[in-house]
Amino acid sequence: QKEVEQNSGPLSVPEGAIASLNCTYSDRGSQSFFWYRQYSGKSPELIMFIYSNGDKEDGRFTAQLNKASQYVSLLIRDSQPSDSATYLCAVNLSNDYKLSFGAGTTVTVRA
Amino acid sequence: DAMVIQNPRYQVTQFGKPVTLSCSQTLNHNVMYWYQQKSSQAPKLLFHYYDKDFNNEADTPDNFQSRRPNTSFCFLDIRSPGLGDAAMYLCATSRESADTQYFGPGTRLTVL
Repeated sequence: QKEVEQNSGPLSVPEGAIASLNCTYSDRGSQSFFWYRQYSGKSPELIMFIYSNGDKEDGRFTAQLNKASQYVSLLIRDSQPSDSATYLCAVNLSNDYKLSFGAGTTVTVRA
Repeated sequence: DAMVIQNPRYQVTQFGKPVTLSCSQTLNHNVMYWYQQKSSQAPKLLFHYYDKDFNNEADTPDNFQSRRPNTSFCFLDIRSPGLGDAAMYLCATSRESADTQYFGPGTRLTVL
């Protein structure tokens, strides 16, 4: 089992819709969770981090964490064509200094 | 603005010809990381430094080495690049281990 798993997509949503991305992780003791956005040919850019169970909102983005079920999700409301990118889920596994990345979910927002 | 800078942005080298990639940061972060990312794959951690303490990932090839001469700079040396080393090389920093990591723009390496 991979440490961090994401659906690779592509996830295609119409402009203005909600894009929902999911990420599951294997280590129940994981403490920190991150979402990065990566445009083609560019480096990852931090969108959000979340440490506690529940929802965290920042503009059109909402991160949701459920430690009991070991998943973290990202919602993108009012999706725009500029949101078309690959979204990487990263988890800081317990007793580890590094981040484990999922392979990413590619999102395409069609006008 | 505080940031992570990588040079060059694009590097072309010949098979077996050594190459050095550089990273600098103005964030004054303690930790610096080097990742390799190939197309449609997750970033793969090669090394990281906590201050001057070097940590090598177990599966990082011996062909890859790193130097951190001071807090601000970190270098990735590829001694004898092979075709399989063509990738995007990402430098990242964090204030402390397990903190949020901030990435530089990356260096795209092409091996001919």
